[in-house]
Amino acid sequence: ELKVEQNPLFLSMQEGKNYTIYCNYSTTSDRLYWYRQDPGKSLESLFVLLSNGAVKQEGRLMASLDTKARLSTLHITAAVHDLSATYFCAVERGAQKLVFGQGTRLTINP
Amino acid sequence: GAGVSQSPRYKVAKRGQDVALRCDPISGHVSLFWYQQALGQGPEFLTYFQNEAQLDKSGLPSDRFFAERPEGSVSTLKIQRTQQEDSAVYLCASSLGYVSSYEQYFGPGTRLTVT
Repeated sequence: ELKVEQNPLFLSMQEGKNYTIYCNYSTTSDRLYWYRQDPGKSLESLFVLLSNGAVKQEGRLMASLDTKARLSTLHITAAVHDLSATYFCAVERGAQKLVFGQGTRLTINP
Repeated sequence: GAGVSQSPRYKVAKRGQDVALRCDPISGHVSLFWYQQALGQGPEFLTYFQNEAQLDKSGLPSDRFFAERPEGSVSTLKIQRTQQEDSAVYLCASSLGYVSSYEQYFGPGTRLTVT
């Protein structure tokens, strides 16, 4: 059974600081997704990582994938308040079914 | 163009009532997914359609849950004899194709509260 674990589950940080969210998964998969969810809202796609060594960046967020280690990271650079949200990673388990992590609730304080 | 839409956005049901949740996928999207998101948790897969065919319903938690997509576009998730543990946000997603390279787009969800 595919399991996806994120850590930390809660993260409170100051504006301007850097931090990394980790996503580990238990069985082989070559596709990993990162989503953002604001309170009461649906999921917004951030990144789709399709192969080992993939790295994608958008603004202050950068995601990477190491399929051999079954690990993805979401790195936040010089955080700003607008990045406060819950971040989910999800791994594909056959025919587009996604298995999600528990989510990391990120709070960025001024 | 329009994204995935869901209705109602909020539903309160008394325990034992039946509910029906609607999903309108993006026009032309072949694949449609239902997920259940409990409070403070990540979404969990319920079922998957490719056009009108329900190819996977392994995530449906009990036989009280039933989904259909009779014409390959709009889908309805029906929950019979609702229980308190059914309280959650139900998310619908659609994608253009039926291979892994197509991204899933999520709707706003229906928040179901069973009292």
